[in-house]
Amino acid sequence: AQSVTQLGSHVSVSEGALVLLRCNYSSSVPPYLFWYVQYPNQGLQLLLKYTSAATLVKGINGFEAEFKKSETSFHLTKPSAHMSDAAEYFCAVSERGGGADGLTFGKGTHLIIQP
Amino acid sequence: EAGVTQFPSHSVIEKGQTVTLRCDPISGHDNLYWYRRVMGKEIKFLLHFVKESKQDESGMPNNRFLAERTGGTYSTLKVQPAELEDSGVYFCASSYAGIEAFFGQGTRLTVV
Repeated sequence: AQSVTQLGSHVSVSEGALVLLRCNYSSSVPPYLFWYVQYPNQGLQLLLKYTSAATLVKGINGFEAEFKKSETSFHLTKPSAHMSDAAEYFCAVSERGGGADGLTFGKGTHLIIQP
Repeated sequence: EAGVTQFPSHSVIEKGQTVTLRCDPISGHDNLYWYRRVMGKEIKFLLHFVKESKQDESGMPNNRFLAERTGGTYSTLKVQPAELEDSGVYFCASSYAGIEAFFGQGTRLTVV
């Protein structure tokens, strides 16, 4: 069975500081991994996904994530936080493919940006 | 191009009533998914349509929930009768050939 753990329900960083959102997963087969973002009053938007190609995945809005098999991690980073990054972020895993088939989500992390 | 559209955006109903949620996928997307987030919990998979057929409904919580996708276009999710624990945000997503999925804004259902 697959599962996702996101460390920290809330993460607060200063504007311009490094953003690091942690995600650990478990999967019985090579996984597909995703980060989604939900801005207030909007739907889920795909930030980036790992589908067994390059281990360092670049996404939209300057975010990137690195797949580390030995650590079963897929942490999300951004070098410099912007006020517009304030949102809720979800890590997800699937054993079935790169779409939305059978996604298992983490509980989400609220990213708070301090001016 | 229109994205995934969900109706209504909010719904407040009394326990025991019936509610029908609708999802209009992106035109041409054969895959349609329903997910749900109960307050304070993870977003959880409910079911998956490929065109008008249910590919996987393993996440449907019980027989009070009925999903349809007649004609392989829009989908409805009916809850009858609604219970308090059904409150949450219901998301719909669609994809073409299982490639990148696009999510709608969700329907916030409150059962009182």
